[in-house]
Amino acid sequence: GAVVSQHPSRVICKSGTSVKIECRSLDFQATTMFWYRQFPKKSLMLMATSNEGSKATYEQGVEKDKFLINHASLTLSTLTVTSAHPEDSSFYICSARTSGKGDTQYFGPGTRLTVL
Amino acid sequence: GENVEQHPSTLSVQEGDSAVIKCTYSDSASNYFPWYKQELGKRPQLIIDIRSNVGEKKDQRIAVTLNKTAKHFSLHITETQPEDSAVYFCAASSGGGSTLGRLYFGRGTQLTVWP
Repeated sequence: GAVVSQHPSRVICKSGTSVKIECRSLDFQATTMFWYRQFPKKSLMLMATSNEGSKATYEQGVEKDKFLINHASLTLSTLTVTSAHPEDSSFYICSARTSGKGDTQYFGPGTRLTVL
Repeated sequence: GENVEQHPSTLSVQEGDSAVIKCTYSDSASNYFPWYKQELGKRPQLIIDIRSNVGEKKDQRIAVTLNKTAKHFSLHITETQPEDSAVYFCAASSGGGSTLGRLYFGRGTQLTVWP
Protein backbone atom coordinates (compact mmCIF):
# COMPACT_ATOMS: atom_id res chain seq x y z
CA GLY A 1 0.00 0.00 0.00
CA ALA A 2 0.87 3.73 -0.14
CA VAL A 3 2.01 3.93 -3.74
CA VAL A 4 2.59 7.26 -5.44
CA SER A 5 3.06 7.52 -9.18
CA GLN A 6 4.42 10.39 -11.19
CA HIS A 7 4.19 11.07 -14.91
CA PRO A 8 6.14 11.59 -17.03
CA SER A 9 9.37 10.12 -15.68
CA ARG A 10 11.44 12.12 -18.15
CA VAL A 11 10.64 15.08 -20.33
CA ILE A 12 12.71 17.19 -22.69
CA CYS A 13 11.23 20.44 -23.90
CA LYS A 14 12.21 23.59 -25.70
CA SER A 15 12.78 26.83 -23.87
CA GLY A 16 9.58 28.86 -23.57
CA THR A 17 7.20 25.91 -23.56
CA SER A 18 5.15 24.66 -20.60
CA VAL A 19 5.39 21.23 -19.04
CA LYS A 20 2.83 19.51 -16.82
CA ILE A 21 3.81 16.84 -14.30
CA GLU A 22 1.20 14.63 -12.65
CA CYS A 23 1.39 13.09 -9.21
CA ARG A 24 -1.10 10.43 -8.20
CA SER A 25 -1.71 8.49 -5.02
CA LEU A 26 -2.79 5.08 -6.26
CA ASP A 27 -4.17 3.34 -3.21
CA PHE A 28 -4.92 6.05 -0.69
CA GLN A 29 -6.43 9.50 -0.53
CA ALA A 30 -3.83 12.22 -0.21
CA THR A 31 -5.12 15.14 1.80
CA THR A 32 -1.80 16.91 1.32
CA MET A 33 0.74 16.73 -1.46
CA PHE A 34 4.18 18.26 -1.59
CA TRP A 35 6.34 19.22 -4.54
CA TYR A 36 10.10 19.14 -4.26
CA ARG A 37 12.98 20.02 -6.50
CA GLN A 38 16.28 18.21 -6.18
CA PHE A 39 19.61 19.25 -7.67
CA PRO A 40 22.37 16.68 -8.23
CA LYS A 41 23.89 15.46 -4.97
CA LYS A 42 21.70 17.82 -2.97
CA SER A 43 18.84 17.49 -0.56
CA LEU A 44 15.17 17.86 -1.41
CA MET A 45 14.04 21.46 -1.62
CA LEU A 46 10.36 21.96 -0.84
CA MET A 47 8.68 24.12 -3.45
CA ALA A 48 5.06 24.09 -2.32
CA THR A 49 2.44 22.33 -0.25
CA SER A 50 -1.03 21.73 -1.58
CA ASN A 51 -4.25 20.63 0.03
CA GLU A 52 -7.05 19.19 -2.03
CA GLY A 53 -9.44 21.89 -3.13
CA SER A 54 -7.44 24.84 -1.87
CA LYS A 55 -4.61 27.04 -3.13
CA ALA A 56 -1.07 25.82 -2.78
CA THR A 57 1.29 27.35 -0.24
CA TYR A 58 4.59 28.23 -1.87
CA GLU A 59 7.94 28.39 -0.15
CA GLN A 60 9.84 31.62 -0.10
CA GLY A 61 11.59 32.29 -3.38
CA VAL A 62 9.40 29.99 -5.46
CA GLU A 63 7.45 31.84 -8.15
CA LYS A 64 3.81 30.82 -7.97
CA ASP A 65 3.09 32.12 -11.47
CA LYS A 66 5.89 30.03 -12.91
CA PHE A 67 5.20 26.81 -11.00
CA LEU A 68 1.45 26.31 -11.11
CA ILE A 69 0.08 23.70 -8.75
CA ASN A 70 -3.37 22.22 -8.88
CA HIS A 71 -4.63 19.67 -6.35
CA ALA A 72 -7.97 18.93 -7.97
CA SER A 73 -8.79 15.68 -6.20
CA LEU A 74 -7.69 13.54 -3.29
CA THR A 75 -5.56 11.42 -5.62
CA LEU A 76 -4.14 13.89 -8.12
CA SER A 77 -1.92 16.94 -8.00
CA THR A 78 -0.26 18.58 -10.98
CA LEU A 79 2.74 20.86 -11.31
CA THR A 80 2.99 22.97 -14.45
CA VAL A 81 6.29 24.63 -15.22
CA THR A 82 5.34 27.59 -17.39
CA SER A 83 7.63 29.21 -19.92
CA ALA A 84 10.41 26.81 -19.02
CA HIS A 85 14.03 27.90 -19.23
CA PRO A 86 17.24 25.85 -19.04
CA GLU A 87 17.69 26.82 -15.38
CA ASP A 88 14.41 25.02 -14.63
CA SER A 89 16.05 21.73 -15.60
CA SER A 90 15.98 19.56 -12.52
CA PHE A 91 14.57 16.48 -10.82
CA TYR A 92 11.05 17.18 -9.56
CA ILE A 93 9.57 14.85 -6.94
CA CYS A 94 6.14 14.84 -5.38
CA SER A 95 5.07 13.25 -2.14
CA ALA A 96 1.69 12.51 -0.67
CA ARG A 97 0.45 12.38 2.87
CA THR A 98 -2.84 11.28 4.32
CA SER A 99 -4.17 11.87 7.78
CA GLY A 100 -5.05 8.21 7.91
CA LYS A 101 -1.36 7.25 7.81
CA GLY A 102 -0.10 9.81 10.28
CA ASP A 103 2.74 12.01 9.20
CA THR A 104 4.27 9.56 6.76
CA GLN A 105 5.03 10.95 3.34
CA TYR A 106 5.29 8.65 0.35
CA PHE A 107 7.31 9.82 -2.60
CA GLY A 108 6.71 9.54 -6.29
CA PRO A 109 9.50 8.27 -8.57
CA GLY A 110 10.37 11.75 -9.76
CA THR A 111 10.42 13.53 -13.12
CA ARG A 112 13.64 14.49 -14.83
CA LEU A 113 13.01 17.75 -16.70
CA THR A 114 15.50 18.95 -19.29
CA VAL A 115 14.89 22.29 -20.95
CA LEU A 116 16.89 22.91 -24.12
CA GLY B 1 11.09 27.30 11.37
CA GLU B 2 12.74 23.95 11.92
CA ASN B 3 16.43 23.45 11.11
CA VAL B 4 17.81 19.94 10.66
CA GLU B 5 21.56 19.33 10.61
CA GLN B 6 22.96 16.00 9.40
CA HIS B 7 26.44 14.53 9.77
CA PRO B 8 28.58 13.23 8.24
CA SER B 9 28.01 14.24 4.62
CA THR B 10 29.94 11.20 3.41
CA LEU B 11 30.61 7.90 5.14
CA SER B 12 32.64 4.95 3.89
CA VAL B 13 32.63 1.63 5.70
CA GLN B 14 33.79 -1.89 5.05
CA GLU B 15 31.16 -4.52 4.41
CA GLY B 16 30.03 -6.00 7.72
CA ASP B 17 30.88 -2.92 9.75
CA SER B 18 28.32 -0.62 11.34
CA ALA B 19 27.36 2.84 10.10
CA VAL B 20 25.95 5.67 12.18
CA ILE B 21 24.42 8.88 10.86
CA LYS B 22 23.44 11.66 13.23
CA CYS B 23 20.94 14.49 12.99
CA THR B 24 19.98 17.38 15.21
CA TYR B 25 16.85 19.50 15.08
CA SER B 26 15.94 22.87 16.50
CA ASP B 27 12.17 22.92 17.00
CA SER B 28 11.06 21.24 20.22
CA ALA B 29 7.57 20.87 18.70
CA SER B 30 8.87 18.33 16.16
CA ASN B 31 7.52 14.92 17.00
CA TYR B 32 8.06 12.73 13.94
CA PHE B 33 11.44 11.73 12.56
CA PRO B 34 11.68 9.61 9.40
CA TRP B 35 14.75 8.35 7.59
CA TYR B 36 14.81 7.98 3.84
CA LYS B 37 17.19 6.07 1.57
CA GLN B 38 17.65 7.38 -1.96
CA GLU B 39 19.53 5.55 -4.66
CA LEU B 40 20.82 7.48 -7.65
CA GLY B 41 17.98 8.71 -9.83
CA LYS B 42 15.35 7.02 -7.69
CA ARG B 43 12.70 8.18 -5.25
CA PRO B 44 13.43 8.52 -1.51
CA GLN B 45 12.26 5.37 0.26
CA LEU B 46 11.16 5.44 3.88
CA ILE B 47 13.31 2.93 5.77
CA ILE B 48 12.39 3.66 9.36
CA ASP B 49 10.73 6.35 11.41
CA ILE B 50 10.29 7.22 15.05
CA ARG B 51 7.86 9.32 16.99
CA SER B 52 8.66 11.40 20.01
CA ASN B 53 6.91 9.10 22.45
CA VAL B 54 9.60 6.42 22.04
CA GLY B 55 13.37 6.53 22.38
CA GLU B 56 14.42 3.71 20.10
CA LYS B 57 13.05 1.62 17.27
CA LYS B 58 14.61 -1.30 15.48
CA ASP B 59 13.86 -3.12 12.25
CA GLN B 60 16.29 -5.95 11.49
CA ARG B 61 19.67 -4.32 10.73
CA ILE B 62 18.36 -0.78 11.04
CA ALA B 63 17.70 1.13 14.24
CA VAL B 64 16.90 4.71 15.12
CA THR B 65 17.42 6.41 18.47
CA LEU B 66 15.89 9.67 19.63
CA ASN B 67 17.01 11.98 22.42
CA LYS B 68 14.32 14.62 22.82
CA THR B 69 16.15 16.51 25.52
CA ALA B 70 19.23 16.96 23.37
CA LYS B 71 17.16 17.24 20.18
CA HIS B 72 19.09 14.67 18.24
CA PHE B 73 18.36 11.38 16.56
CA SER B 74 20.56 8.82 14.89
CA LEU B 75 20.36 6.04 12.32
CA HIS B 76 22.31 2.87 12.98
CA ILE B 77 22.93 0.26 10.30
CA THR B 78 24.62 -2.94 11.42
CA GLU B 79 26.29 -5.61 9.28
CA THR B 80 26.39 -3.27 6.31
CA GLN B 81 26.16 -4.66 2.80
CA PRO B 82 27.15 -3.11 -0.55
CA GLU B 83 23.46 -2.67 -1.38
CA ASP B 84 23.17 -0.31 1.59
CA SER B 85 25.21 2.18 -0.44
CA ALA B 86 22.97 5.20 -1.10
CA VAL B 87 22.19 8.69 0.15
CA TYR B 88 20.38 8.75 3.46
CA PHE B 89 18.24 11.70 4.54
CA CYS B 90 16.91 12.41 7.99
CA ALA B 91 13.87 14.62 8.45
CA ALA B 92 11.74 16.17 11.16
CA SER B 93 8.11 17.16 11.27
CA SER B 94 5.76 18.66 13.80
CA GLY B 95 2.76 16.88 12.37
CA GLY B 96 -0.28 18.58 10.88
CA GLY B 97 -1.56 21.94 11.98
CA SER B 98 -0.31 25.00 10.18
CA THR B 99 2.65 23.20 8.61
CA LEU B 100 0.42 20.45 7.16
CA GLY B 101 3.00 17.87 8.13
CA ARG B 102 5.83 19.24 6.00
CA LEU B 103 9.16 17.55 6.45
CA TYR B 104 12.38 19.43 7.10
CA PHE B 105 15.24 17.47 5.58
CA GLY B 106 18.88 17.20 6.47
CA ARG B 107 21.45 17.63 3.72
CA GLY B 108 21.96 13.91 3.29
CA THR B 109 24.76 11.40 3.89
CA GLN B 110 26.37 9.50 1.04
CA LEU B 111 27.05 6.05 2.46
CA THR B 112 29.44 3.80 0.58
CA VAL B 113 29.92 0.21 1.67
CA TRP B 114 33.06 -1.42 0.24
CA PRO B 115 33.00 -5.16 -0.34
